Amino acid sequence: DIQMTQSPSSLSASVGDRVTITCRASQGISNYLAWYQQKPGKVPKLLIYAASALQSGVPSRFSGSGSGTDFTLTISSLQPEDVATYYCQKYNSAPYTFGQGTKLEIK
Amino acid sequence: EVQLVESGGVVVQPGGSLRLSCAASGFTFDDYTMHWVRQAPGKGLEWVSSLSWDGGSTYYADSVKGRFTISRDNSKNSLYLQMNSLRTEDTALYYCAKDGYTYGWGHFDYWGQGTLVTVSS
Repeated sequence: DIQMTQSPSSLSASVGDRVTITCRASQGISNYLAWYQQKPGKVPKLLIYAASALQSGVPSRFSGSGSGTDFTLTISSLQPEDVATYYCQKYNSAPYTFGQGTKLEIK
Repeated sequence: EVQLVESGGVVVQPGGSLRLSCAASGFTFDDYTMHWVRQAPGKGLEWVSSLSWDGGSTYYADSVKGRFTISRDNSKNSLYLQMNSLRTEDTALYYCAKDGYTYGWGHFDYWGQGTLVTVSS
């Protein structure tokens, strides 16, 4: 099975910073990659699908890129409400594995 | 408005059985693949199982294969997860999620609030 590895596992950044989270697949998955945001105590929310397509209603400061094995989620200007754990997920085929998560905090 | 409402989570003893339900509304249920995802307390997301729009194709995580069965009743707009031979490591919040593509397999665009399953003696 393909493994999904996120880095870093946690990070702390200041409001207004540009933040980048990386997700690496152990084999190529084309662009079948989604990113989710889970705020503390809340339900996961879809941010990005097809590696770079922004889900309707998601702020434009979120963007995704990559193809094959290496993917990136970028927040262009960090806001206080972005405190959350972020997960990548592959969906080229089952199993639809999630990364282990990246916990983002405000410095 | 898409709504997914899970139910059926309770405290159950190891080796026991449980059936989770997910009631869907706000979209044409029988056009979409549906999924179950779980999250153990303080842990990350774990995909559990998926079922095609017509019930013809199913997939399971290795951790639940042979013990869990996913099913749906399109006449009732409902998704189910039959859980047998439960283990303590199955303790988690179980989410129902809708696929993002019509007649396809893709990302999960809507999630329910989850139902808590606790396996403990």
